[in-house]
Amino acid sequence: QITLKESGPTLVKPTQTLTLTCTFSGFSLSTRGVGVGWFRQPPGKALEWLAITYYNGDIRYSPSLRSRLTITRDTSRNQVVLTVTNMDPGDTATYYCAREPYTDHGQHYFDYWGQGTLVTVSS
Amino acid sequence: DIQMTQSPSSVSASVGDRVSITCRASQDISRWLAWYQQKPGQVPNLLIYAASTLQNGVPSRFSGSGSGTEFTLTITSLQPEDLATYYCQQENSFPLTFGGGTKVEIK
Repeated sequence: QITLKESGPTLVKPTQTLTLTCTFSGFSLSTRGVGVGWFRQPPGKALEWLAITYYNGDIRYSPSLRSRLTITRDTSRNQVVLTVTNMDPGDTATYYCAREPYTDHGQHYFDYWGQGTLVTVSS
Repeated sequence: DIQMTQSPSSVSASVGDRVSITCRASQDISRWLAWYQQKPGQVPNLLIYAASTLQNGVPSRFSGSGSGTEFTLTITSLQPEDLATYYCQQENSFPLTFGGGTKVEIK
């Protein structure tokens, strides 16, 4: 059974750094082709992709947020961590992690998602 | 970045109706498009990938078609449990991008 779960603060102040942890089970981030990505969804708005890390250490970031994002992984603990610096009220959103499976043609979609965690940015 | 545009933004239909949602990409993405369903208060759920491949466990009333820049998600016989917002996502290249969503309501 594959599961992912996000954890971290529910409230951060403007200018602070947000650190979120995705803890997963039922698959390995050492398996060829597998990745774990981060997404966010402001209340009532659409999904936005943020970053992804792969089995081989490859990392991709959203260009619009690249300067503020860092994604790291701990394969032995089955965790992927996302940090977002200089948080702003506009970053208030539900943050999700999700698994990208191995794909025959190298395309990118996500078959298992965490429950999400709502992060509010407010002083 | 590849821009994804969905239409309509919302649709209201009766149980048993056929519902179609369109997603257009700003450039050719071949068949690399996924569809997700997000029910109110729930997590996104993968319905279709590679434009037309149904994810395991997804009811057969859902189908996807298209290639290049224009894609369609069709629900052949709308059910009450299909009340949700549907998102397309291009699988082709980074940065990964989503459409703005289509809210499906039941009359």
